[in-house]
Amino acid sequence: GAVVSQHPSWVICKSGTSVKIECRSLDFQATTMFWYRQFPKQSLMLMATSNEGSKATYEQGVEKDKFLINHASLTLSTLTVTSAHPEDSSFYICSASGPVPYEQYFGPGTRLTVT
Amino acid sequence: AQSVAQPEDQVNVAEGNPLTVKCTYSVSGNPYLFWYVQYPNRGLQFLLKYITGDNLVKGSYGFEAEFNKSQTSFHLKKPSALVSDSALYFCAVRDVPGGYNKLIFGAGTRLAVHP
Repeated sequence: GAVVSQHPSWVICKSGTSVKIECRSLDFQATTMFWYRQFPKQSLMLMATSNEGSKATYEQGVEKDKFLINHASLTLSTLTVTSAHPEDSSFYICSASGPVPYEQYFGPGTRLTVT
Repeated sequence: AQSVAQPEDQVNVAEGNPLTVKCTYSVSGNPYLFWYVQYPNRGLQFLLKYITGDNLVKGSYGFEAEFNKSQTSFHLKKPSALVSDSALYFCAVRDVPGGYNKLIFGAGTRLAVHP
């Protein structure tokens, strides 16, 4: 139980284009989802917290116009990287608050490469 | 401010030997502590958590952690390491002021178990 999926698992896009990453809770309803970014051999950096039906809350230093987050349903949140640049290349991981209090369930991650 | 520290970048241990991965924390109020493991190019997997109760917490894959309030530590342990335990381990603390069950992660410790 409490499975989170991400799609795609990896994506390559050209500089200047936009790419959308989906995060789904498969067997539970997630009122809150989190988006993280992870650089090689580094820890997870929280980018934003999204709640179903409301605007996402972005962490300091994260450009909300560049990283668009939508949490349209209790099982789906999307992260759109707009006008991607090579420095946006990273591993993006989502997580969701699930049925067990205080626990987060993580997706498998999406590796984005911008050429 | 809430924070968590993992003082070791890497821990090396021989297969069959006990392992310890260290974590110390700083929180205001009662700590909610977690351990996650990450395999290459994968999301995080939950190992165990301490919310309240017994100081020795047992988790997945034979791991356990000991909560020590006086030393503000939450070290991860396993009596007998396996080569398959080789991975990146993250300690995390719940960011209570941040709300929404946000987690603050340590820098991570890479565990290498040698045959």
